Amino acid sequence: QKEVEQNSGPLSVPEGAIASLNCTYSDRVSQSFFWYRQYSGKSPELIMSIYSNGDKEDGRFTAQLNKASQYVSLLIRDSQPSDSATYLCAVKARGSGNTGKLIFGQGTTLQVKP
Amino acid sequence: EAGVVQSPRYKIIEKKQPVAFWCNPISGHNTLYWYLQNLGQGPELLIRYENEEAVDDSQLPKDRFSAERLKGVDSTLKIQPAELGDSAVYLCASSLGLAVDEQFFGPGTRLTVL
Repeated sequence: QKEVEQNSGPLSVPEGAIASLNCTYSDRVSQSFFWYRQYSGKSPELIMSIYSNGDKEDGRFTAQLNKASQYVSLLIRDSQPSDSATYLCAVKARGSGNTGKLIFGQGTTLQVKP
Repeated sequence: EAGVVQSPRYKIIEKKQPVAFWCNPISGHNTLYWYLQNLGQGPELLIRYENEEAVDDSQLPKDRFSAERLKGVDSTLKIQPAELGDSAVYLCASSLGLAVDEQFFGPGTRLTVL
C-alpha cells in the first residue's frame, strides 16, 4: 500500500462546476496535510494546508480533513480552465522512525473544459 | 519576497559525466530540501537540511550523489557519475524551520542524461 494515494485521473469537469479531488494516507499519526498545484512543466505550488479535522476554506478552494478515515480532499468551486493542472496531495507524518518529511501522492490531473 | 532560486533550469549531459545543481532558498528559511520528481510521480525527498546540518539523507544514493550546504544558506547537489536513470526534475524547496511545515518549491532543474 502506498503511503499517500490519489487517483491519477484525469478528472474532467465542465467550467463552473465543482471539482473534487481525493487523497488517502496510511500513517495514522500524520499531522499536517497539504495540497499543491503543478502546471505542466512547472514546479509544485502550495495552495492549501490543513492541520485539524474539518473544513478550511480559501477563496474557491476548500480542504477537508477526516483523520479517523485517513482522508483529505480538495474542493474547487466554480472551476476555471486555468485550474487545469495536476494536484498533489502531501502528508507530513510523525510516526516512529520518520523525520517528518513530506510524502507526496502521484497527483490527480484535473481538466476543466470550457 | 523572492522565491527559491535554482540553476541551471535545464541540463543535458552524457552518462558518466558529473553534474551539479544549485539552490538559494527563500531568505530566512532555515530548512532546505532536495527532491527528485519523475514524470507522472510526486516529488520524493533526497535530503533535508536544518541550517547546515543534513538531518535526513536516507533516500540519497550516496554512491553517486552528494550535497552540501556549507554556510546554512545556498546548497549544491552533485551527481557523479550520472546514469541514464538519473534523468528527472530536481527540485529544491525551503521552509522557515522544523516546526513550520509549509514548503515552497523552486522552479527545478530538468536533467537529461544521454
